[in-house]
Amino acid sequence: GAVVSQHPSWVICKSGTSVKIECRSLDFQATTMFWYRQFPKQSLMLMATSNEGSKATYEQGVEKDKFLINHASLTLSTLTVTSAHPEDSSFYICSANRWIGELFFGEGSRLTVL
Amino acid sequence: SQQGEEDPQALSIQEGENATMNCSYKTSINNLQWYRQNSGRGLVHLILIRSNEREKHSGRLRVTLDTSKKSSSLLITASRAADTASYFCATDKIQGAQKLVFGQGTRLTINP
Repeated sequence: GAVVSQHPSWVICKSGTSVKIECRSLDFQATTMFWYRQFPKQSLMLMATSNEGSKATYEQGVEKDKFLINHASLTLSTLTVTSAHPEDSSFYICSANRWIGELFFGEGSRLTVL
Repeated sequence: SQQGEEDPQALSIQEGENATMNCSYKTSINNLQWYRQNSGRGLVHLILIRSNEREKHSGRLRVTLDTSKKSSSLLITASRAADTASYFCATDKIQGAQKLVFGQGTRLTINP
């Protein structure tokens, strides 16, 4: 069964609203989680590394004020897309380490901004 | 920029045939992994090969790694329609961080 759960699996929102996506590790603690973004028929682009109890580390070109990441507990990281616009529409995927070499991915969250 | 580059970008074969996908990367790595993604779904880990390994098998999957050429291949033998998916290679450059960089992927279609 799934060891990393993402919610919601899809969301449609109006332009200007904020959307929160949750990533949970179900039966293990994850001090580090990763957030990726994927455009249709393209690869996954790492957005940021989410660190439990500290600030996220963002990749170059990713706006930290736009994509807020919070990793408040060892089993939950959230990605909030603030003031979403149509160009933010994408497939967002999280992953979590169970231990070194074993990385599990969530099922992804499809965001559509109208 | 993407670390891994797969080729071909798309591959269509008949059921029962073998499918080979290649991945090249640019910098030194610790591990290389192959993942599968069904359309609109998350990623499923297939196999991990360490930088000091040359070949690894898992069921119908065979992965090779040539660090001198900075390339890897994924072979799926006796393909099935259910193997239809996108396949990505991913490398990690930072030991322990599991910060994966993905290639562009190969879209594999198995025709019944």
